[in-house]
Amino acid sequence: QVQLQQWGGGLLKPSETLSLNCDVSGVSLRGYQWSWIRQPPGKGLEWIGEINYSGTSNYNPSLKSRVTISVDSSKNQFSLEVRSVTAADTAVYYCARDDLGSGIDYWGQGTLATVSS
Amino acid sequence: DIQMTQSPSSLSASVGDRVTITCRASQSIATYLNWYQQIAGKAPKLLIYAASDLQTGVPSRFSGSGSGTEFTLTLSSLQPDDFATYYCQQSYSSPYTFGQGTKLEIK
Repeated sequence: QVQLQQWGGGLLKPSETLSLNCDVSGVSLRGYQWSWIRQPPGKGLEWIGEINYSGTSNYNPSLKSRVTISVDSSKNQFSLEVRSVTAADTAVYYCARDDLGSGIDYWGQGTLATVSS
Repeated sequence: DIQMTQSPSSLSASVGDRVTITCRASQSIATYLNWYQQIAGKAPKLLIYAASDLQTGVPSRFSGSGSGTEFTLTLSSLQPDDFATYYCQQSYSSPYTFGQGTKLEIK
C-alpha cells in the first residue's frame, strides 16, 4: 500500500534553513504531483508547493522566494527546503500525494518544525 | 489567489443529526473542489473530490455537491467518529487554497 514517511524539522533558530524529506513506498512517483502542506499550531492548512517525477515544481507565491522542492526519483523521495525561517514558519509540515484532480489522497504523518531563538 | 470561505466556522451537533457545511470560492472553480476531515493531531483525510465523488472507503453518509462558487458537504447521520475539523480545498488553480476549516463538536 502507498505510504509516505517523512523526517526532518525539529527546533530551528531564526534565519536557519528547514529541511524535510519524504520517502514514498508502494507506488512510483510517476504520474502524480507530490506536495508539501503546512499547518501552524491551532490554525488551518497552507499549500506550499508541489513537484512531479521529472522535477517540474510549482510554488505558492507567498513562499516562493524561500522554498525549494526537489525530487530524487532513484530513491522515490522528495524534499522541501525553507530558507531564512522565522517564527511564522513554525508549523506541522505534511508531505502528500496529489492525484491530479482526484484530491490529495495520501499524507505523511506530519513533522513539527519549531522556530525559536 | 482564490479565496475559500467556509461556514460556519464551528458547529455543535448530536449523534444522528444531519449537518451541512458550506464552502464558497471567490471565483468560479467549476467542480475542482475537495473536502477533507482532520482529527486532532492527525493528518487530513480525503473525503470527497471533484465536488461530489466519494473517496474509496469513505462512508456513504458523507456527500458533496455544488459547482461554480458554492459547495456543500453533508453528513447525513452523525457518528461519534465524525466529530472533527473539515476543510475544503480548491484544485482549480495554483496556489491550491484551503478554507479556514469548520470544527464539528458534540452538543
